[in-house]
Amino acid sequence: SAVISQKPSRDICQRGTSLTIQCQVDSQVTMMFWYRQQPGQSLTLIATANQGSEATYESGFVIDKFPISRPNLTFSTLTVSNMSPEDSSIYLCSVEDLGQGYEQYFGPGTRLTVT
Amino acid sequence: DAKTTQPPSMDCAEGRAANLPCNHSTISGNEYVYWYRQIHSQGPQYIIHGLKNNETNEMASLIITEDRKSSTLILPHATLRDTAVYYCIVNEGQGAQKLVFGQGTRLTINP
Repeated sequence: SAVISQKPSRDICQRGTSLTIQCQVDSQVTMMFWYRQQPGQSLTLIATANQGSEATYESGFVIDKFPISRPNLTFSTLTVSNMSPEDSSIYLCSVEDLGQGYEQYFGPGTRLTVT
Repeated sequence: DAKTTQPPSMDCAEGRAANLPCNHSTISGNEYVYWYRQIHSQGPQYIIHGLKNNETNEMASLIITEDRKSSTLILPHATLRDTAVYYCIVNEGQGAQKLVFGQGTRLTINP
C-alpha cells in the first residue's frame, strides 16, 4: 500500500489567514482526495484532485475557499483560505489503489485550529 | 448521505471475537461493501471489502448475507489496539469513487 505523509501535522492559525497543507505519496497515483473531519464528526469529501486538470469539488465546497493543486502524480496541496474558527478540523488526503479493489489509503491528517 | 446503518458503539473483551454489523438494504448489484477503521488521531485504515462472497484477510473476515442487505465484520481475536471507529461503506468499487462515511461504530476493546 502507498505511504502518505502530510505537512504540517498540526497548526494554529489566526482568522483571516490561509494555510497550505501538503500531501506527498511514495508512489505515483492517479487519484488523490481531500477530506475534512470536523471535531467529533465523520469524514466529508472536499474534492478529488486530478493530475493535469482542475479539482472536482463536492457540494458545499468551492475552489475560492479550498484551492487545490496537483502538479504531479505524487504530490498535492490543499489551501484553506481566509480561515474562520469554523474551519477548525482535521484535513486528510487519501490516494486510490488501482491494483486491487480501489481501496483508499489515508495520510495521518493535519489538525488545524483557527483562533 | 451514507447508505449504511451501524450501531453507534460496541464493547468487546480482549481476546474474543468482535462482530460488527452493518445494514445496507439499498445496496445495488454493482456495489461493494468496504470496511475502514479510524484509530484515535490517525487517518482511516482500509480493512477489507467484498461483493457477495465472504472474504478473509490478515486483519479480518467479512460475512455478507445472501441477499446482500447486511454484512458483519469479524475481528477474530480482538486486542486493545483494535479500539477504533469502524466504518462500513458501500461503493461501486471502480476508480475515482468517493467514499461516503457515516458515523460508524465506536468499538471499545476491554482488558
